[in-house]
Amino acid sequence: EADIYQTPRYLVIGTGKKITLECSQTMGHDKMYWYQQDPGMELHLIHYSYGVNSTEKGDLSSESTVSRIRTEHFPLTLESARPSHTSQYLCASSEDRQLANYGYTFGSGTRLTVV
Amino acid sequence: GEDVEQSLFLSVREGDSSVINCTYTDSSSTYLYWYKQEPGAGLQLLTYIFSNMDMKQDQRLTVLLNKKDKHLSLRIADTQTGDSAIYFCAESPDSNYQLIWGAGTKLIIKP
Repeated sequence: EADIYQTPRYLVIGTGKKITLECSQTMGHDKMYWYQQDPGMELHLIHYSYGVNSTEKGDLSSESTVSRIRTEHFPLTLESARPSHTSQYLCASSEDRQLANYGYTFGSGTRLTVV
Repeated sequence: GEDVEQSLFLSVREGDSSVINCTYTDSSSTYLYWYKQEPGAGLQLLTYIFSNMDMKQDQRLTVLLNKKDKHLSLRIADTQTGDSAIYFCAESPDSNYQLIWGAGTKLIIKP
């Protein structure tokens, strides 16, 4: 059973709206990640965090922003949604790699459609 | 730079073995992973292998690692329709906590 939760599962929203995609994990992981993925395509890292008050941009430029005020919560915000933001957004978390061999744990994703 | 490469598609008949291949570039990678993604879902860790191992077997899954050639493969025995998914290879370079991902191989099962 997944210990990392993303809401909403699906979202259809109009251009120009502000949206926040939620991601929460109950595993106490320090490290969290947001990926953008078009259906059936490769993963693109857009944001990551190594702990509270730590956020970094990933390899793919994104107009979204993130915050990490609590260990378990890593929301992603789009201030003004555009059709080009239509995609699937995947959240993941991981333990310190010295302790864990298990890579990342992923949420089920949010499928965003901007009309 | 760091790069992980996979073929985009693999088509096999139900009941046959599937072999999905991956090459990576960072010889310092400590762990290598295979993830499975079913349609519309997130990624699920399938198996992983530590870099000092050559092979790991888990039921129908066999992972082979050739460190000299930086080649990783995933063999699925007796492939079933439920194995239809995209399989991602990933490496864990020693220098940071981020996984480097392949583009994914879509496994298509023919009846």
